[in-house]
Amino acid sequence: AQSVTQLGSHVSVSEGALVLLRCNYSSSVPPYLFWYVQYPNQGLQLLLKYTSAATLVKGINGFEAEFKKSETSFHLTKPSAHMSDAAEYFCAVSDGRRGGSQGNLIFGKGTKLSVKP
Amino acid sequence: EPEVTQTPSHQVTQMGQEVILRCVPISNHLYFYWYRQILGQKVEFLVSFYNNEISEKSEIFDDQFSVERPDGSNFTLKIRSTKLEDSAMYFCASKGNTEAFFGQGTRLTVV
Repeated sequence: AQSVTQLGSHVSVSEGALVLLRCNYSSSVPPYLFWYVQYPNQGLQLLLKYTSAATLVKGINGFEAEFKKSETSFHLTKPSAHMSDAAEYFCAVSDGRRGGSQGNLIFGKGTKLSVKP
Repeated sequence: EPEVTQTPSHQVTQMGQEVILRCVPISNHLYFYWYRQILGQKVEFLVSFYNNEISEKSEIFDDQFSVERPDGSNFTLKIRSTKLEDSAMYFCASKGNTEAFFGQGTRLTVV
């Protein structure tokens, strides 16, 4: 079974400050890991993904995440927050052995990011 | 850029009525999914669909739910007899190799 834990349902940072959103996963098989962003009243947009290649993954909008197997973590970071980053962020895991139909995503509960001017 | 489209964007229905939520996945994708997000809660997996059959489903996906790909382009989720607790945002997704692309969602309100 797979699961995702996102620490902190709400994170608030000042504009220009470091963004750190935490994600820990549990998986008995090699995982694929994802971060999705959801802006108000919109769908889920993929920010970045880890699929067993480089452990440091760069995504859109200046975000990156590092896969740390020893810590079972996949934290999302951005060096300098922008007002437009305010949104809800979801970490998700899927079975890395089965990239096709069996690879459905298991989501964390989400972290709402607020950015103060 | 190809995208997953869902219709309607918002549907209000009376308890006990049947609803059909529609999705047009990305054309060369083979794997399709429905997820739901109850207001304020996390996104939950409902069902995955491949090769014209369900490949995996969650405990939420009970006998009142069904999925269909009737014409090779649309992918539908039917809820036979809606309950108040079915009120949620329903997301369709399709996948090529590794990543799933999500639609904008259908907000279902059961009254």
